[in-house]
Amino acid sequence: SAVISQKPSRDICQRGTSLTIQCQVDSQVTMMFWYRQQPGQSLTLIATANQGSEATYESGFVIDKFPISRPNLTFSTLTVSNMSPEDSSIYLCSAAAGSGNTIYFGEGSWLTVV
Amino acid sequence: GDSVTQMEGPVTLSEEAFLTINCTYTATGYPSLFWYVQYPGEGLQLLLKATKADDKGSNKGFEATYRKETTSFHLEKGSVQVSDSAVYFCALAPGGYNKLIFGAGTRLAVHP
Repeated sequence: SAVISQKPSRDICQRGTSLTIQCQVDSQVTMMFWYRQQPGQSLTLIATANQGSEATYESGFVIDKFPISRPNLTFSTLTVSNMSPEDSSIYLCSAAAGSGNTIYFGEGSWLTVV
Repeated sequence: GDSVTQMEGPVTLSEEAFLTINCTYTATGYPSLFWYVQYPGEGLQLLLKATKADDKGSNKGFEATYRKETTSFHLEKGSVQVSDSAVYFCALAPGGYNKLIFGAGTRLAVHP
């Protein structure tokens, strides 16, 4: 299995500011992902964080709004830029690890934009 | 494109009742199928998975069988407990990929 730690776990942010979320995995993994869960909704994939190259974004998400870094095989960051109240969500980091490439999630970063 | 459809909630049951949460999918190729659970105020936990047709995933009394002929992966539990109250997400990973496509989630409330 893999243990995924995210920081911060919760934050209240002012609109117009940016916040960087960190994701640390306790083992080396090939693939890491970032998801968003808006209040009362399901999860939507934002992007795949690629080690050593630019992230691959899903439709509706752009690098300027959600820049992602992946400097090594155990760590990634997601920045939510120029936040508005619509960005209030849970942001979850995910990684594929272990036998059968099981997909694990961090506990999420709960952001409220005021 | 690939998609997952879950029965709408909330599902409200009495303790020890039988649980079924329906999940059907649309996908090309041979996806892997998953059930995740989200307890109040917490992140997502993998409940069970199945990677090929006719596989049965099971964990904590929950089980689901990968039915290719009906493109379904229904979640069942014979006797629910109050502690099972949570939101349950059905998800698929398209063949050869690790990114997940989620259903809308089904909220389960179990009363004593």
